[in-house]
Amino acid sequence: EVHLVESGGGLVQPGRSLRLSCAASGFTFDNFAMHWVRQAPGKGLEWVAGIDFTSRYIGYADSVKGRFTISRDNAKSSLYLQLNSLRADDTALYYCAKDISGFCTNHVCSNYFDSWGQGTLVTVSS
Amino acid sequence: SFDLTQPPSVSVSPGQTAIITCSGGRLGDRFVSWYRQKPGQSPVAVIYQDDKRPSGIPDRFSGSSSGPTATLTISETQAMDEGDYYCQAWGPSTTVFGGGTKLTVL
Repeated sequence: EVHLVESGGGLVQPGRSLRLSCAASGFTFDNFAMHWVRQAPGKGLEWVAGIDFTSRYIGYADSVKGRFTISRDNAKSSLYLQLNSLRADDTALYYCAKDISGFCTNHVCSNYFDSWGQGTLVTVSS
Repeated sequence: SFDLTQPPSVSVSPGQTAIITCSGGRLGDRFVSWYRQKPGQSPVAVIYQDDKRPSGIPDRFSGSSSGPTATLTISETQAMDEGDYYCQAWGPSTTVFGGGTKLTVL
């Protein structure tokens, strides 16, 4: 059974940094792309970033590009998200999600996210 | 990037058919997935590649796509189907979710 467990969230001041982790188990981690998706309180889902199994292909939402960095350690079956220059509108529950295949690099893509963690809450406030 | 538009809410009586739409972003050129999220829970995929169901999803759930609009149809809707539904589509090295539709079974 696939398990994704996020950690690293918390209360942080605007402008500061945070590093989120996602520990994966129950599947061959380095065979699948992985993603971070966030959900602000009472709002909808927003894709944040994705990374393919070799870290060769990486993508970011425009709202976080240049501030957030996604990475992975296949030897540790772990996914990471480095959050820099945090703003109040980054406050959200951050989910780790498993792709069904590799990272999509074009729009003709039938991939979807077949497993999600429970999320880790990031609150940006002074 | 592109935007996907969903109706904020859909209401249906038990046993009736619920229809949720997703439009925008040249959907005719893209595959669409659908997720259901119940309060306090993580999302679960209910449709992928426009009309395919992941294992464990009942055949009451179906999807279709025509031109700029994708549609999620839930037949014989039950109280357990209530939740927020999101469509998703891909662009080059990016993916977008629709704003979500709250399904209420009255």
